[in-house]
Amino acid sequence: SQQGEEDPQALSIQEGENATMNCSYKTSINNLQWYRQNSGRGLVHLILIRSNEREKHSGRLRVTLDTSKKSSSLLITASRAADTASYFCATALFYNQGGKLIFGQGTELSVKP
Amino acid sequence: DGGITQSPKYLFRKEGQNVTLSCEQNLNHDAMYWYRQDPGQGLRLIYYSQIVNDFQKGDIAEGYSVSREKKESFPLTVTSAQKNPTAFYLCASSIEQGGSPLHFGNGTRLTVT
Repeated sequence: SQQGEEDPQALSIQEGENATMNCSYKTSINNLQWYRQNSGRGLVHLILIRSNEREKHSGRLRVTLDTSKKSSSLLITASRAADTASYFCATALFYNQGGKLIFGQGTELSVKP
Repeated sequence: DGGITQSPKYLFRKEGQNVTLSCEQNLNHDAMYWYRQDPGQGLRLIYYSQIVNDFQKGDIAEGYSVSREKKESFPLTVTSAQKNPTAFYLCASSIEQGGSPLHFGNGTRLTVT
């Protein structure tokens, strides 16, 4: 089963609305990262939140992390058509667990102008 | 500009042929990775390398091989033993292995018929 599972799988909103994507995971993590992927392109790193942090902001992005529930959310405020992409969470395991980054299956976001 | 270059963008091969995907980075990163992405799925780790002349198997290494003779280069060979080689292949690098953000290339789409 996946370490990171995202919800919803697809999300369609109007420009100007907020978009919220959720990520759940199973094991203890070192940090959790969010990435964006435009169609047919590589992933771009958006934000990293460490296991001892609860909330982090970057521009219109807000990430929360609840280690007791093993879940994270990514909020994009005042969305734009250019935000249309797939968004992936990735959990970083501790070094003694292999230090690997495990990706979820992604949320496909569509922002309609 | 620093970055990761993957070539070619599209690759077509006949079943039974080995094929090598190129990945070059000029970010001076120690760690490099190969991921496979299938439609509607997240990324799965094929191989990773923490340092020159050293590499480890990821979660789906069967049917693949890599080399790391130079810091800048981490080519991936898809062998004829790989049962379902048609996929989107992504190369990435990070400053160090173990939870650092990844920088991705723009991928190679391999089609085997």
